[in-house]
Amino acid sequence: EPEVTQTPSHQVTQMGQEVILRCVPISNHLYFYWYRQILGQKVEFLVSFYNNEISEKSEIFDDQFSVERPDGSNFTLKIRSTKLEDSAMYFCASCREGGTEAFFGQGTRLTVV
Amino acid sequence: QQQVKQSPQSLIVQKGGISIINCAYENTAFDYFPWYQQFPGKGPALLIAIRPDVSEKKEGRFTISFNKSAKQFSLHIMDSQPGDSATYFCAASRGGAGSYQLTFGKGTKLSVIP
Repeated sequence: EPEVTQTPSHQVTQMGQEVILRCVPISNHLYFYWYRQILGQKVEFLVSFYNNEISEKSEIFDDQFSVERPDGSNFTLKIRSTKLEDSAMYFCASCREGGTEAFFGQGTRLTVV
Repeated sequence: QQQVKQSPQSLIVQKGGISIINCAYENTAFDYFPWYQQFPGKGPALLIAIRPDVSEKKEGRFTISFNKSAKQFSLHIMDSQPGDSATYFCAASRGGAGSYQLTFGKGTKLSVIP
């Protein structure tokens, strides 16, 4: 069964460092998303991406965040200068054109120290 | 207005019992209401979803009840099993896949005891 894959599964970084979280969405999907989940809290929307541009973003997704689809398969989330409060599980999701179900990856646990 | 409120925060049910989780929303533009199941260390996985044109949807042991006038929807898990122990999130979305931002509830940790 096709699935969304994310790497790495866990990343530890020092405050102020840049991190890139990587995702490979399901191959025929055209809509891509990043969500995050701070430990013990709800899943929060960050950004959606379609046709090589951001279609929607939340207030969490400030200038420190950026997304990119550098090639035909990867979808990345970059955090330019990490803060302690960026520590969370980051989930990538994808959806096919005309679909309603978002398929989530297993997540990347980001720990900022 | 974007909030989805979920209760209870945690739930303990005996094996074979019925688990009921409730959600309420405010934004009347929401037109898609999925429930996600999440096991520790895994991403959320779609369990069942409903649109507001029906009041109930059943898939196996899982049923969503939807009350449009009250802006509430609930998940019922019949004959609950220990394997159902997980965190359940309700969510809501407006529009089609192009504007498919999910707004999640805070989650309910379900424990089914033998």
